[in-house]
Amino acid sequence: GENVEQHPSTLSVQEGDSAVIKCTYSDSASNYFPWYKQELGKRPQLIIDIRSNVGEKKDQRIAVTLNKTAKHFSLHITETQPEDSAVYFCAAKGYRGSGYSTLTFGKGTMLLVSP
Amino acid sequence: NAGVTQTPKFRILKIGQSMTLQCTQDMNHNYMYWYRQDPGMGLKLIYYSVGAGITDKGEVPNGYNVSRSTTEDFPLRLELAAPSQTSVYFCASVKVTGEKLFFGSGTQLSVL
Repeated sequence: GENVEQHPSTLSVQEGDSAVIKCTYSDSASNYFPWYKQELGKRPQLIIDIRSNVGEKKDQRIAVTLNKTAKHFSLHITETQPEDSAVYFCAAKGYRGSGYSTLTFGKGTMLLVSP
Repeated sequence: NAGVTQTPKFRILKIGQSMTLQCTQDMNHNYMYWYRQDPGMGLKLIYYSVGAGITDKGEVPNGYNVSRSTTEDFPLRLELAAPSQTSVYFCASVKVTGEKLFFGSGTQLSVL
């Protein structure tokens, strides 16, 4: 099955700096890669996603890049703000033996933005 | 729409007890999932369902059972609770298989 590795596990930045979180996946058939943000005590919420036919996608201060050949994708947050502090999860859509697809998640990155 | 509703929010069980975590969605999604979240370990898939009457195992199904009698409801059953099942459980649903999951608010379960 799909395996997703995520780095780093923790990331501390100063307000205004950029933050980059990287993930690799194992299944070359995976074609959908979302990123979720989870604030303390809350549910994960989708912040951006990318499909395998696109190399980059931007939404205001966040962007995701995908390198299909190397099987890795990254989340970029520019001009970080204290409210960006949260745990971020990457995920990859893989296909199970049943033929249906499910999301496999990375272990998460705790981002701390200091004022 | 309420989205995905989970109950209870918190529960403490003794070893060997049983309980059912409830999950209901009102978005008419066919696909529903149960994940568990342990500190520093991300989200692990327990079971999933692709429609009423159809369920399948995920990565960590041992110790759990599910049923899907209606499109709206996808309860998760713990038969003989063990300390290893202490975790936060999230139910999720989606319109298109494996994409844009909508998560419930979670159930924090402690087995002592």
